[in-house]
Amino acid sequence: AQSVTQLDSQVPVFEEAPVELRCNYSSSVSVYLFWYVQYPNQGLQLLLKYLSGSTLVKGINGFEAEFNKSQTSFHLRKPSVHISDTAEYFCAVLGSGGYQKVTFGIGTKLQVIP
Amino acid sequence: DSGVTQTPKHLITATGQRVTLRCSPRSGDLSVYWYQQSLDQGLQFLIQYYNGEERAKGNILERFSAQQFPDLHSELNLSSLELGDSALYFCASSVASGNTGELFFGEGSRLTVL
Repeated sequence: AQSVTQLDSQVPVFEEAPVELRCNYSSSVSVYLFWYVQYPNQGLQLLLKYLSGSTLVKGINGFEAEFNKSQTSFHLRKPSVHISDTAEYFCAVLGSGGYQKVTFGIGTKLQVIP
Repeated sequence: DSGVTQTPKHLITATGQRVTLRCSPRSGDLSVYWYQQSLDQGLQFLIQYYNGEERAKGNILERFSAQQFPDLHSELNLSSLELGDSALYFCASSVASGNTGELFFGEGSRLTVL
């Protein structure tokens, strides 16, 4: 079984400042990792994913995340945020091999302040 | 637009009642997932169907049931509703049985139980 911990429930940040949203996971098998974004009154959409290969993955809207196996982390970063990035961000994990279900973290609300 | 359609978008009902939420997956997707999103518990996995058969079960109450029909649309039935069932219910779909990890979400059905 897998679990995901998003360490911050809310992150306020000023416009054009950098941001990091933290995610840690636990799993007894190798994992695939994902970040989803939920804009107000919308469903979730995939921001980026790590399946294998380079540990630094780039996603849409200028976001990137780094997979760190030794620290079991997959933190999401953006060097300069915009007002339009205000949303809730969900980290998710999927165990590789056999059938596994996607497990989501509880979400981090990013509030970009003008 | 994710291609996943959920109806109704909003539903208000009374305790003890029964409601049915409907989901049409993206064209070609065989898997349908149901999630419940509430303020205090985040995004909770309820159940998954793959090509008409139940594939995985999560935190789904016995008062809730679901099915996937031959045309691949799915329905989530919620009965003997309680105040605590008020939440946003999401349907998601994916091509395979789940090991790609990429889910496409509908915009959700907001259920309010009074």
